Amino acid sequence: GENVEQHPSTLSVQEGDSAVIKCTYSDSASNYFPWYKQELGKRPQLIIDIRSNVGEKKDQRIAVTLNKTAKHFSLHITETQPEDSAVYFCAARSFSGGGADGLTFGKGTHLIIQP
Amino acid sequence: DTGVSQDPRHKITKRGQNVTFRCDPISEHNRLYWYRQTLGQGPEFLTYFQNEAQLEKSRLLSDRFSAERPKGSFSTLEIQRTEQGDSAMYLCASSSRGNSENYGYTFGSGTRLTVV
Repeated sequence: GENVEQHPSTLSVQEGDSAVIKCTYSDSASNYFPWYKQELGKRPQLIIDIRSNVGEKKDQRIAVTLNKTAKHFSLHITETQPEDSAVYFCAARSFSGGGADGLTFGKGTHLIIQP
Repeated sequence: DTGVSQDPRHKITKRGQNVTFRCDPISEHNRLYWYRQTLGQGPEFLTYFQNEAQLEKSRLLSDRFSAERPKGSFSTLEIQRTEQGDSAMYLCASSSRGNSENYGYTFGSGTRLTVV
């Protein structure tokens, strides 16, 4: 099955600086990679996703890059703001068939924005 | 329909008791998923449905766990003879597939289970 590793587990950055969270996956058949933001006591919310036919996707201050050869993908947040403080999860999903359709999540990164 | 609804939000039960949780997905979503999340961990896949058919179950889903989606709308997750290790947040999510390019999940707020 798929295995997703996420680093770092905790990331502290100054407000206004950039933050980068990295994930690796093991199943070369995985072809969908979402990122979720979870604030304390709340549901995970999809913030951006990327499919394997695209190398980069950007949405305002958030971008995701994908390197299929190396099997890793990263979340980039620029001009960080206090409201960016949360736990971020990466995930991978395979559409290779056989009914395997569940997302495999990383263990999460606690992002702390220092004022 | 503003999102995925889960009920109850919190459940405290004694070890050995049975519990049942309910999930109401976004109405136009045909896929429904159950995940479990423990403190400091990412959500772990338990099972998913496409319409009323349960298509996959994780190894995490022991015989004490059963899920149903009888009419392809809401779903229930039952845990029999609860154990302390079952204490976790149980998250439901739904998604649509087919014409839509959006394969992203929408999660519910979860049911926090505490087994004492």
